[in-house]
Amino acid sequence: EADIYQTPRYLVIGTGKKITLECSQTMGHDKMYWYQQDPGMELHLIHYSYGVNSTEKGDLSSESTVSRIRTEHFPLTLESARPSHTSQYLCASSPPGETQYFGPGTRLLVL
Amino acid sequence: AQKVTQAQTEISVVEKEDVTLDCVYETRDTTYYLFWYKQPPSGELVFLIRRNSFDEQNEISGRYSWNFQKSTSSFNFTITASQVVDSAVYFCALSEGPLSQGNLIFGKGTKLSVKP
Repeated sequence: EADIYQTPRYLVIGTGKKITLECSQTMGHDKMYWYQQDPGMELHLIHYSYGVNSTEKGDLSSESTVSRIRTEHFPLTLESARPSHTSQYLCASSPPGETQYFGPGTRLLVL
Repeated sequence: AQKVTQAQTEISVVEKEDVTLDCVYETRDTTYYLFWYKQPPSGELVFLIRRNSFDEQNEISGRYSWNFQKSTSSFNFTITASQVVDSAVYFCALSEGPLSQGNLIFGKGTKLSVKP
């Protein structure tokens, strides 16, 4: 089982602010993911990475961006938050060919 | 196109009842993986089980059991003698192709409420 950390756990912020959601894992997993989940709904993949300097867009279009400068770190950034970005954001990681393990999530509310 | 359907949006049972959560999937790939995850109210996703398309053997883990049937494209999850701590949203997910390449496609989830 992976140790995956996400900060902050909860964030309330005003429209137009720039925010970065942090995700770190300590298991050295190559592949990492970001999912967006609206309350009571399914998860949608918005970004993933195969390793350092690799980033790919997921199935759901997102205005967020990601970076992968270090194996253990996969932050997600919103340059200008809007109320439509209100959601839960879940980070996951996996070793090659293995199951994805998820972090605790960040619940974002944009006013 | 790959798709996962969890037709039961919400299920409510009384403690000690057995409950089955349904999952039906669609895929054209011969190699794929199926998963169940549990999401308690705290929000994190907890991995429960993974099955590959070549292994139809049913699995039991304590009070949990899974029934994988390729003939009906189903991967159902049964909780025996349910407990209040089983209350959560349960997601079924599908990944096509080699696990190192495929991404997860999730169903909409089934919210299970177990009442004392």
